[in-house]
Amino acid sequence: DAGITQSPRYKITETGRQVTLMCHQTWSHSYMFWYRQDLGHGLRLIYYSAAADITDKGEVPDGYVVSRSKTENFPLTLESATRSQTSVYFCASSPLREVSYEQYFGPGTRLTVT
Amino acid sequence: AQSVAQPEDQVNVAEGNPLTVKCTYSVSGNPYLFWYVQYPNRGLQFLLKYITGDNLVKGSYGFEAEFNKSQTSFHLKKPSALVSDSALYFCAVRDISPMNRDDKIIFGKGTRLHILP
Repeated sequence: DAGITQSPRYKITETGRQVTLMCHQTWSHSYMFWYRQDLGHGLRLIYYSAAADITDKGEVPDGYVVSRSKTENFPLTLESATRSQTSVYFCASSPLREVSYEQYFGPGTRLTVT
Repeated sequence: AQSVAQPEDQVNVAEGNPLTVKCTYSVSGNPYLFWYVQYPNRGLQFLLKYITGDNLVKGSYGFEAEFNKSQTSFHLKKPSALVSDSALYFCAVRDISPMNRDDKIIFGKGTRLHILP
């Protein structure tokens, strides 16, 4: 079924390990986003991408790396995980800026860093 | 800089009563405004948006929202609440001022809506 998927859905890792969260969308949307959701903070933007090979920082980019070699994929890497990165991570996509700009969200990845 | 506030962490409403979830925003230019809903263990789902035109916007599941430029508000409303409306609701804003080159949408912290049977 078409849409936006995230993997894994749940992940437990140790402090200092590298972790990559995957996001894949089948709509060929230009824009893709990574958010983290934490109690008391709502959704905060980590990184976003306007097209393949174009990425930009959001509100809380430190400790994260993104890439976008293909339009449909937007992986998020935690280079050296810390306990403060324990969170629920959501990927989203959106069509061209000039159209409607509503975002379509994936189901989320719950990450625990021990 | 653009910002959005949801002043209530939680709203409790009896089933069948009207509901309102409040949202205020701050932008330097004109806003695009959105409401999203999140059910447990799910991603956010788009409910409705204001881009331009009629200040009263109708969306999914019987929800509507009223854009009030003078009060910089975009409150979410429904005439008769259902138990199944219980969820977390997020307001979001994008500043479409020519001075704003960002493509980002800013989300509020969310309001948990409890509909009591």
